[in-house]
Amino acid sequence: NAGVTQTPKFQVLKTGQSMTLQCAQDMNHNSMYWYRQDPGMGLRLIYYSASEGTTDKGEVPNGYNVSRLNKREFSLRLESAAPSQTSVYFCASSAPGAGQGVYGYTFGSGTRLTVV
Amino acid sequence: GENVEQHPSTLSVQEGDSAVIKCTYSDSASNYFPWYKQELGKRPQLIIDIRSNVGEKKDQRIAVTLNKTAKHFSLHITETQPEDSAVYFCAASPYEYSTLTFGKGTMLLVSP
Repeated sequence: NAGVTQTPKFQVLKTGQSMTLQCAQDMNHNSMYWYRQDPGMGLRLIYYSASEGTTDKGEVPNGYNVSRLNKREFSLRLESAAPSQTSVYFCASSAPGAGQGVYGYTFGSGTRLTVV
Repeated sequence: GENVEQHPSTLSVQEGDSAVIKCTYSDSASNYFPWYKQELGKRPQLIIDIRSNVGEKKDQRIAVTLNKTAKHFSLHITETQPEDSAVYFCAASPYEYSTLTFGKGTMLLVSP
């Protein structure tokens, strides 16, 4: 039981390059999320998927796209990377409680992305 | 949308002292309030949470209190130890939605 697995752990991109961050969970969770973490800004939601087949924008979606490939996998794509996208990216998943809203997230180990 | 304010941004204490971190939220519909601990270079990990039907919850040296009327909740750590040094995040989640809104974090430093 690996929990939430993110790849890659580190990446350096040149401005304008594209890449996809991969995330997979083996806990049979319905909901998955992508957050970015910047110094002094906390964790900000980029996109989320409440269930397989659905995706929704979060607080900072510009410059990103996502795909919920199946129940296990949720990928984040940067089509044309910009220096402002230099950040640590965390994927997370959660299982909705029975009629009681979402429970705590399980986070992946993060991807440290630098765009030069 | 929900807005979560967290204070202080940094907190330095001596080993054995207590530490208190406070958060306020804006959406009265929020009913779930977790706290996460993030050690340097690691992922955030859930340490304690509280739901709106409870005013206080304890787990060994950690406790969380919630005041729904005032829309604020706090994390209390007693008998702090150097291994408590980390960044702590509060968060809030409305019933109808599936996402957490996080505070900006508090860096806690416990000196031996």
